Amino acid sequence: QKEVEQNSGPLSVPEGAIASLNCTYSDRGSQSFFWYRQYSGKSPELIMSIYSNGDKEDGRFTAQLNKASQYVSLLIRDSQPSDSATYLCAVNLLSSASKIIFGSGTRLSIRP
Amino acid sequence: NAGVTQTPKFRILKIGQSMTLQCTQDMNHNYMYWYRQDPGMGLKLIYYSVGAGITDKGEVPNGYNVSRSTTEDFPLRLELAAPSQTSVYFCASSYPPVEEEKLFFGSGTQLSVL
Repeated sequence: QKEVEQNSGPLSVPEGAIASLNCTYSDRGSQSFFWYRQYSGKSPELIMSIYSNGDKEDGRFTAQLNKASQYVSLLIRDSQPSDSATYLCAVNLLSSASKIIFGSGTRLSIRP
Repeated sequence: NAGVTQTPKFRILKIGQSMTLQCTQDMNHNYMYWYRQDPGMGLKLIYYSVGAGITDKGEVPNGYNVSRSTTEDFPLRLELAAPSQTSVYFCASSYPPVEEEKLFFGSGTQLSVL
């Protein structure tokens, strides 16, 4: 079983709609969760981090964490063409406080 | 600030050659990482370090070696390059908990082994 799993996509969403990205992880003791955005040919950049169960909102982005279900998601409201990118879920494994593992990423395409 | 600097940006190696990918950061970050990213895939952790003199294996360490003699530098050594090591390599650093474990990435090194 992969430690961090994501649907590879591509996920196509009309402009102005809500994009929903999902991620599951296998290490039940994991405490830190992240969403990175990566444009083609560029380095990843952090858009959200979440540590507690529930929702965390930052502008058009909402991260949701459910530790019991080992599930973390990212919602993007009012999707814009500039949101078209690959979104990478990352988890800091409890077994080593510095070991950050990424999923395979979900390609998101916002169609006008 | 320069942030995380990786050199070279591009390199072509022949099978069996060796090389060192350089990574340096000027943010005084304790933690440093090496990842590789194959086309259309996510990042795989190769090695990481929590401070000078301390390194540990990640998910895909075979065929690579690292050292961390200073806080600033974290070079990645490829011995006996193989086509399977064709990838984009990213170096990253972080400074938890001050920066909330945010990874600061370099611009990457695109490596082809032919």
